[in-house]
Amino acid sequence: DTGVSQDPRHKITKRGQNVTFRCDPISEHNRLYWYRQTLGQGPEFLTYFQNEAQLEKSRLLSDRFSAERPKGSFSTLEIQRTEQGDSAMYLCASSDRDEQYFGPGTRLTVT
Amino acid sequence: AQTVTQSQPEMSVQEAETVTLSCTYDTSESDYYLFWYKQPPSRQMILVIRQEAYKQQNATENRFSVNFQKAAKSFSLKISDSQLGDAAMYFCAYRSSGAGSYQLTFGKGTKLSVIP
Repeated sequence: DTGVSQDPRHKITKRGQNVTFRCDPISEHNRLYWYRQTLGQGPEFLTYFQNEAQLEKSRLLSDRFSAERPKGSFSTLEIQRTEQGDSAMYLCASSDRDEQYFGPGTRLTVT
Repeated sequence: AQTVTQSQPEMSVQEAETVTLSCTYDTSESDYYLFWYKQPPSRQMILVIRQEAYKQQNATENRFSVNFQKAAKSFSLKISDSQLGDAAMYFCAYRSSGAGSYQLTFGKGTKLSVIP
């Protein structure tokens, strides 16, 4: 078990472009979470999957954001028409019970 | 909605000494979970310790222990015999125990520096 992995680790994009991030959870974990962390802040919840079903979405998740978890394995988070305010660290976590295990994050910079 | 407050943006401690990081939270629920996470510079967040609200006994993990005061809605983290590797951002987090409520609510964090 190598833990939660995320790809890419860093992404620089121009405003208006689309970006997609991938998260591979710990293999036996059925729950997967996405959080966003901006500088000087704690992570903020974006969305949550149980297996392939997206069960909870934060109001932070505007309609430019979409997340999927096909077949209940890896997950992708896509941001369309990126804005400078989207610059942040995007964290993925997975769990099978009460404790969430975090990946290293994808740092997005929108120029 | 639940909120988590960490009132100390930065703390420092001498190596081998003890330091306490503060956390308060606001909730109307009676059963929930509380966590302390550590985020070293440029490294991923790792769980330090957890506490279930229904347990009166304070959780302990090696050099890390908590002081959980349910009535006061306080959840502080004590680090004993501080080591250089303890330097990191520390986040306090809350999670409801209700079915389907799995999201973590985090505080803004406390940056801990360890002085050799």
